[in-house]
Amino acid sequence: KNQVEQSPQSLIILEGKNCTLQCNYTVSPFSNLRWYKQDTGRGPVSLTIMTFSENTKSNGRYTATLDADTKQSSLHITASQLSDSASYICVVSGRGSTLGRLYFGRGTQLTVWP
Amino acid sequence: EAGVVQSPRYKIIEKKQPVAFWCNPISGHNTLYWYLQNLGQGPELLIRYENEEAVDDSQLPKDRFSAERLKGVDSTLKIQPAELGDSAVYLCASSLDAGGRTNNEQFFGPGTRLTVL
Repeated sequence: KNQVEQSPQSLIILEGKNCTLQCNYTVSPFSNLRWYKQDTGRGPVSLTIMTFSENTKSNGRYTATLDADTKQSSLHITASQLSDSASYICVVSGRGSTLGRLYFGRGTQLTVWP
Repeated sequence: EAGVVQSPRYKIIEKKQPVAFWCNPISGHNTLYWYLQNLGQGPELLIRYENEEAVDDSQLPKDRFSAERLKGVDSTLKIQPAELGDSAVYLCASSLDAGGRTNNEQFFGPGTRLTVL
């Protein structure tokens, strides 16, 4: 069964601190993996995308890693800001029989306190 | 460039009433998606359109849900009759083409928050 699991479910950190969010998936065959940020009351917005051959991708203070062998990804946030408070969703895209289908994790709810 | 537009943003109805949501995708995007998102969960696909054709509606509860994209541009999702368990956020997304094209990104609208009383 194609699944995407994220951990932790929720996380609280102080402003300025770093944090790492985890994503494990079983989607196969694999096409790409995206991390989305979803602010409260808004739709998800893409932060990074990685294909099978990529193992790291940065977008400002966000750095995503991918290990396609172990089917694991992480999103590292550096020097967190209050505006980083949001849900971070890992989304995996399939190929072949799952062409065009996206598999969503449940998200990690990050809260940054001043 | 305008993003994906959805309306209404909020809707409160009583159970057994009908409700409809509207979505206008980004101009030029052939693929349109409707998702349901419960609180604390990731979005769940309801239906995917390639132009005016519904190519994946396997997760759409067809006894009460229906959708259309008659001219291959904007789309309407309808629930009739609504049940208490339908309370959720309904997200619309669009992309240039299907996910089979490498790195094809989905752009999401703000969603419609439905509350069924």
